[in-house]
Order: sequence, then structure tokens, then C-alpha cells
Amino acid sequence: TQLLEQSPQFLSIQEGENLTVYCNSSSVFSSLQWYRQEPGEGPVLLVTVVTGGEVKKLKRLTFQFGDARKDSSLHITAAQTGDTGLYLCAGDEDNDMRFGAGTRLTVKP
Amino acid sequence: DAGITQSPRYKITETGRQVTLMCHQTWSHSYMFWYRQDLGHGLRLIYYSAAADITDKGEVPDGYVVSRSKTENFPLTLESATRSQTSVYFCASRHPFRADSPLHFGNGTRLTVT
Repeated sequence: TQLLEQSPQFLSIQEGENLTVYCNSSSVFSSLQWYRQEPGEGPVLLVTVVTGGEVKKLKRLTFQFGDARKDSSLHITAAQTGDTGLYLCAGDEDNDMRFGAGTRLTVKP
Repeated sequence: DAGITQSPRYKITETGRQVTLMCHQTWSHSYMFWYRQDLGHGLRLIYYSAAADITDKGEVPDGYVVSRSKTENFPLTLESATRSQTSVYFCASRHPFRADSPLHFGNGTRLTVT
């Protein structure tokens, strides 16, 4: 059983469209991180959210942490082909970092 | 250059053989982790280490052994490889005392057990 459930598992959209991916859990986390992974490489951190209700923006990417610190979302505005990749969320339980299965995003030109 | 290095990059081994995957980091991070990545499961934690000579089991430790005699090295050993251990293995390190500190990953070792 996955501690962190990510949805959708796959997403294919046209360049310029908006999208949201979700990361849900029944557990409370001290912080939650989002990573992006390209083929043949390790994941790279996008953002860390720590406070319930927190919203962080990274250019066209907006991250939200739920009030109860159990879930999070990633919204991408006007997706570009360079956004293609695997997006992973990870919950931090006292340095025991657990990952969701990821959302594989494909942005078509 | 500072970073985290995994070796080998690719490995093919036979069922029943012992194989060791190497991980070396240059940041002196006290925390290090081993994950395996499989389709549909994402990254699953095998073992982690809070410091030299301190290791703990993660989600899927069976069939694996780790050691941490030096802060910078964290090798993962499959004592008797099985086909179910075919996977991509990632090592990571982390600064322990900041809530927003990221995991720094290596580029992975793709292991095939025949």
C-alpha cells in the first residue's frame, strides 16, 4: 500500500494547457516535497512545503500544502514541452522520506 | 565537483550471486538513503543511515544489507540476488537539520538479475 497516493498516474496534454496533479495521504507530514525526474537521472527537488495551507509559486508552478498537512497539489500554468517528466511527491516523517508513485506528464507541442 | 556518485551505472548479474552497489557523497551529509524505483511503485525506501555506523530499515529491506563505516560511503549489497530485485537503485543524501533540505540523488544504478 502506497503511503502517498498521486493522481493522475499519467497525463498527456497540449502545450499551453493548464494542469493540476495531486498528492494525498492519510498521514500527517512535517513537510512535503515535490521532485521532478528526467529519464536516466535522479529526482531533483522543486519545492518544499512545511506549513499547513502554504502556497508556493515557482514561475508557472504553484504548490499547495493542505491545511491538515496530509495532501498537496501542483498546478502548472501554460505547460511547455520542457515540463515533460515524472513528478514525485515525498512526505517527511522524521527523515524517513516516503515517495508517491508519481505522475508522468507529457506535454505535446 | 561536489555531488553524489553511484557505481556501476549498469549491472547484469545472475540469480544467487552477491552484488554490491556503491554510493559516495562529497557533502559530508550525515543522512544517506537507498531507494529502488519500479514502474507503478515509485521510489521505495530500502535502508537509510543517520550517521556512520547507524542504519535503519525502510519499507522494503528484505534481501539487502547495508553498511556505513565512513560518512561519505553507503554501499548496498544484495547477498543472493533474485529476479524480483531487478530495478533501478538510487542513493541519496540529505542535510539532517533543516526541514526544507532536499534529498540529493545520484543518477542511479540499473540492475538486471537474470
